[in-house]
Amino acid sequence: DGGITQSPKYLFRKEGQNVTLSCEQNLNHDAMYWYRQDPGQGLRLIYYSQIVNDFQKGDIAEGYSVSREKKESFPLTVTSAQKNPTAFYLCASTPPSGRKSEQFFGPGTRLTVL
Amino acid sequence: AQSVTQLGSHVSVSEGALVLLRCNYSSSVPPYLFWYVQYPNQGLQLLLKYTTGATLVKGINGFEAEFKKSETSFHLTKPSAHMSDAAEYFCAVIHSGNTGKLIFGQGTTLQVKP
Repeated sequence: DGGITQSPKYLFRKEGQNVTLSCEQNLNHDAMYWYRQDPGQGLRLIYYSQIVNDFQKGDIAEGYSVSREKKESFPLTVTSAQKNPTAFYLCASTPPSGRKSEQFFGPGTRLTVL
Repeated sequence: AQSVTQLGSHVSVSEGALVLLRCNYSSSVPPYLFWYVQYPNQGLQLLLKYTTGATLVKGINGFEAEFKKSETSFHLTKPSAHMSDAAEYFCAVIHSGNTGKLIFGQGTTLQVKP
């Protein structure tokens, strides 16, 4: 089955630690996206990548980093510089048909920083 | 700048009643519009989309939406609510730049009462 996987589903970390969230897709999609979701605030774009080895900052990139070494993978690192990292993180991708297409979402990772 | 406004963060209906979730957008270019549904602790699932052509769009689970350019609206409706429709609903518009980014509304939580 094709799709987007995010792991783990739940993640707990101590304050001050970096943590990496995984996002993998086997849909042959070119573009991938990371969103942060907080109650009552909708989805906010953190980073996106339209092609391997290239990525751009979204609206709330501070305290986050990404890499795109493979088409299938777009991991997100939440660094200790992120002041309020506890949130639900969603990864998405779009097919090669590009900007006119909907985004396909993974199941999400809920990060709790203690 | 493009934006999406969902009127009403919470909507409550009785089972069998009409569901109406409101979405207004602002866009300087012809919009591509989407409605997504999110169940608790899950990713987003596409309900329907408008790109071009027929302004009344039918989606999954009996939902439909009508694009009204003159009103800059894309309201989501379902004639008869079911308990399983209880979820959070997001309206989104594709960003005008050639990036495929989505701009989301704040979301509307639909409660269905027995």
